[in-house]
Amino acid sequence: NAGVTQTPKFQVLKTGQSMTLQCAQDMNHNSMYWYRQDPGMGLRLIYYSASEGTTDKGEVPNGYNVSRLNKREFSLRLESAAPSQTSVYFCASSGKVTGGRLSNQPQHFGDGTRLSIL
Amino acid sequence: KNQVEQSPQSLIILEGKNCTLQCNYTVSPFSNLRWYKQDTGRGPVSLTIMTFSENTKSNGRYTATLDADTKQSSLHITASQLSDSASYICVVSAWQYGNKLVFGAGTILRVKS
Repeated sequence: NAGVTQTPKFQVLKTGQSMTLQCAQDMNHNSMYWYRQDPGMGLRLIYYSASEGTTDKGEVPNGYNVSRLNKREFSLRLESAAPSQTSVYFCASSGKVTGGRLSNQPQHFGDGTRLSIL
Repeated sequence: KNQVEQSPQSLIILEGKNCTLQCNYTVSPFSNLRWYKQDTGRGPVSLTIMTFSENTKSNGRYTATLDADTKQSSLHITASQLSDSASYICVVSAWQYGNKLVFGAGTILRVKS
């Protein structure tokens, strides 16, 4: 039972390069999320997708784009990487959305992508 | 100011001892409060979820308490084991932000033999 799978696990980029972080879940969850985790800070939401076909900005969306490819997959793209985007990126998923708001069910996280931008 | 503050920042205890981690939050109103465990190099894993009407919830040796009046929560770990070494993260789900999660910075626990 894989749960939430993120690729790659590690990546080093040069400033200005672009890349896409991949995330897939096999739990048939409707909602998916992208977070970043920086030292000494709590996880911060970049973008989320409450259901297939919808995406919304989170707390720190600048410099990122997302695509909900299908119910299983949610990708995060850095178009022009900057050193400030050096971080650990986590993808998460959770169950059914109720009443138009994000689910109250637990979020299941992948093991992260460690991204360094030089 | 962070809306979810955790203390202590780090803690070292001997195997077999109990410990309590604290979480104070200013997010209000909220729909639920969660505790996650994050092992080094891994993603967070859910331990407990409590709604505002619940005072306590247990998951094995982990017991979370919630006082919605004082906006405080605690996570008590009983008979600690080496495998409890991890970061413990308090998370509040905020109604006013569409139930988005507000994360604390975590308490790093090290259990030594």
